[in-house]
Amino acid sequence: EVQLMESGGGLVRLGGSLRLSCAASGFTFSNYNMNWVRQAPGKGLEWVSHINSLSSTIYYSDSVKGRFTVSRDNAKNSLYLQMNTLRDEDTAVYYCARAISGYYHFDFWGQGTLVSVSS
Amino acid sequence: EIVMTQSPATLSVSPGERATLSCRSSQNVNSNLAWYQQKPGQAPRLLMYHASIRATDIPARFSGSGSGTEFTLTISSLQSEDFAVYYCQQYNNWPLTFGGGTKVDLK
Repeated sequence: EVQLMESGGGLVRLGGSLRLSCAASGFTFSNYNMNWVRQAPGKGLEWVSHINSLSSTIYYSDSVKGRFTVSRDNAKNSLYLQMNTLRDEDTAVYYCARAISGYYHFDFWGQGTLVSVSS
Repeated sequence: EIVMTQSPATLSVSPGERATLSCRSSQNVNSNLAWYQQKPGQAPRLLMYHASIRATDIPARFSGSGSGTEFTLTISSLQSEDFAVYYCQQYNNWPLTFGGGTKVDLK
């Protein structure tokens, strides 16, 4: 069974840092591109970051560029998102989402982890 | 950035009726368009990709059409489990972008 399990969310102060993790199981993690997508409370979906299977291609949305860093460890079947200089508008549920290599739609999503930024 | 616009924002439908959801892109995205369904408290689920290909285990009552800038998701006969929010997403250009969603609720 395919599983993506996010962790690391929580309450953080404005300007603080947090590291999210996504543990993958049930599929060959190293064959897939991975993404982070977030959803602010009561709002729609916003793509955050993409990393390809070999970590050779990485993209960020303009809203997080320079503050967030995506990485992965294929040996540990894990995806990460280091979030620095957090802002109010970063408050959201963060989902990790899988994409078949060569494609950029998301065929499987984790259940998400909530990040709340408070002042 | 390609802006995705979905309409209507809310669609009120009775069970068994047909539902037609629209998604428009601000630039040509060819057929690089996906649809997702999201129920309250759940993660999104992929319904369609490449505009018209159903994802694994998606019932045949869901169909997608369109290319370029105009896309449609049709639910031929709405079931109780289909009441949800639906999002379109383009993956023709970076950054990847989503529409604002259409909520399908009970009439």
